[in-house]
Amino acid sequence: KAGVTQTPRYLIKTRGQQVTLSCSPISGHRSVSWYQQTPGQGLQFLFEYFSETQRNKGNFPGRFSGRQFSNSRSEMNVSTLELGDSALYLCASNWDQNYGYTFGSGTRLTVV
Amino acid sequence: QQQVKQSPQSLIVQKGGIPIINCAYENTAFDYFPWYQQFPGKGPALLIAIRPDVSEKKEGRFTISFNKSAKQFSLHIMDSQPGDSATYFCAAYRTYSGAGSYQLTFGKGTKLSVIP
Repeated sequence: KAGVTQTPRYLIKTRGQQVTLSCSPISGHRSVSWYQQTPGQGLQFLFEYFSETQRNKGNFPGRFSGRQFSNSRSEMNVSTLELGDSALYLCASNWDQNYGYTFGSGTRLTVV
Repeated sequence: QQQVKQSPQSLIVQKGGIPIINCAYENTAFDYFPWYQQFPGKGPALLIAIRPDVSEKKEGRFTISFNKSAKQFSLHIMDSQPGDSATYFCAAYRTYSGAGSYQLTFGKGTKLSVIP
């Protein structure tokens, strides 16, 4: 069974640009969540989607957005990138009744 | 507001030792408490999890102890091995709908080093 797949693995962007990250959940998982991991703040929740609906959103500015498609694949977008957005962005999927979230290996975003 | 406090930040033990990592939570709405293990360059991997109606759970060399009244839980790694060297995160989760649902709230992590 394939795990959670995130693309790309690495990204370098310039301040002010926008970026889109992609996540393919485990087959059959309908819940997809996104987390930001930094050395200073640790793992912080961005948002969670279930059946194309955002059920919860963390305390991030509106520059961070996401969506989920009918096949459960998800994307997150960050507009007007800032240096502080440099982080590892992790996607996790869940069957929803089974509470064990499975994480992908993440996308390492560097903003210069 | 940090809702899950984890300690220590780092831990060094000899092979065969029993490292203990502690976490405390504030929100009594949490009803699921997983531990994740993360190796460099990888995403966190679910190690073991517990519900508050259970005081202890063992899976292989990993044990969670849970104290509901104190709002604390801890991870014990029996007979630790160099391959256990990783960063460990405790987390808390609310499984039913309401404020703060559907999100893992993580502790800051503990970097464990097991010396041969």
